[in-house]
Amino acid sequence: GQQVMQIPQYQHVQEGEDFTTYCNSSTTLSNIQWYKQRPGGHPVFLIQLVKSGEVKKQKRLTFQFGEAKKNSSLHITATQTTDVGTYFCAGPRGIQGAQKLVFGQGTRLTINP
Amino acid sequence: EPEVTQTPSHQVTQMGQEVILRCVPISNHLYFYWYRQILGQKVEFLVSFYNNEISEKSEIFDDQFSVERPDGSNFTLKIRSTKLEDSAMYFCASRRFSYGYTFGSGTRLTVV
Repeated sequence: GQQVMQIPQYQHVQEGEDFTTYCNSSTTLSNIQWYKQRPGGHPVFLIQLVKSGEVKKQKRLTFQFGEAKKNSSLHITATQTTDVGTYFCAGPRGIQGAQKLVFGQGTRLTINP
Repeated sequence: EPEVTQTPSHQVTQMGQEVILRCVPISNHLYFYWYRQILGQKVEFLVSFYNNEISEKSEIFDDQFSVERPDGSNFTLKIRSTKLEDSAMYFCASRRFSYGYTFGSGTRLTVV
């Protein structure tokens, strides 16, 4: 079945450094979604990318969707302590309408202030 | 901003007991889901629900699990005879159309 892989599993950075997490799917995706889960919290939707090669920005966060629609990345510029958490990518699987999300393993970001 | 509400936030139960986890999805959402997350691991799909019936269920969702939407607002997950390995965080989620899911804050289930 469809698998969504994320690397790295863990990333520890100094505050102010950049951070990137990468996501790869074994199959072509109609879209890819990114979620953030703070420690002890629940996944919170960040963004959805739909178009091949799409790039979207949210303040210091830059999201990219690959040309083949099988990979994606999230880049955070100049991390802040509020960025701490686990970042998950997720791809839909199933028939339109009744789709479920298949999540990657997540990248846990910790930051040294 | 609309929220998905889950109760209880934490449930401790003895092995073999039945538990019911409750969720109130966002009122105009059409698709409902249960996911679970074992501590430190990824978010795993359990079941999807649309138009008052199950759309899809995972291998995890065996005969011990069931879902209901009894009154058009609540969405429940029942585990009939809990096992130790059912200990996890259970998240309810809902969405309207083809966009991001809204997750509830979860129920931490501990089976002892």
